[in-house]
Amino acid sequence: AQTVTQSQPEMSVQEAETVTLSCTYDTSESNYYLFWYKQPPSRQMILVIRQEAYKQQNATENRFSVNFQKAAKSFSLKISDSQLGDTAMYFCAFMNAGGTSYGKLTFGQGTILTVHP
Amino acid sequence: DAGVIQSPRHEVTEMGQEVTLRCKPISGHDYLFWYRQTMMRGLELLIYFNNNVPIDDSGMPEDRFSAKMPNASFSTLKIQPSEPRDSAVYFCASSFRGGGYGYTFGSGTRLTVV
Repeated sequence: AQTVTQSQPEMSVQEAETVTLSCTYDTSESNYYLFWYKQPPSRQMILVIRQEAYKQQNATENRFSVNFQKAAKSFSLKISDSQLGDTAMYFCAFMNAGGTSYGKLTFGQGTILTVHP
Repeated sequence: DAGVIQSPRHEVTEMGQEVTLRCKPISGHDYLFWYRQTMMRGLELLIYFNNNVPIDDSGMPEDRFSAKMPNASFSTLKIQPSEPRDSAVYFCASSFRGGGYGYTFGSGTRLTVV
């Protein structure tokens, strides 16, 4: 079974600065997807960014980018120019790209990010 | 599209009562998922459907939990009888062709069993 580990329960950053959230995962599969979801106090789960394991290029979405290290099974999220609205719980998640577990998202325990003015 | 719609947003019930949570997925999505979120256990997959057929219900905690998807636009998660330890936020999510592009989540139902 796949596992996803987020080793930072809480992080904080000043507005306009850059912060990196860590995530590692364990799998024997070679083809899979990785995601970061954001959950603000409203509790809505919002997709931030996704990465396909067979693509070497790191995904980027505006101020959000990832550092995907397949050999190390690491998938960190970098938030640049942090904004107050980035304050939320961030979840790293894994999904096999095929097989019997295709479609099932496995989540990490989450990192609470607080952006200070 | 209005997104994934869940109802009710909040539910408070007494132990032993039946609880029914409802979900309307995004039109055209062929996968539907039910997750439960608690402080202790995080986000857990309970069950998921593909084209209205249950594919994996191994995450359903007990026989007290049941889920149905009678058609492509509606699903229910039922707990009977409810217990205080069922208190959690229950999310429904839907996706197209499995979710390689990610799920779209509903806003969740916060269930409190007293």
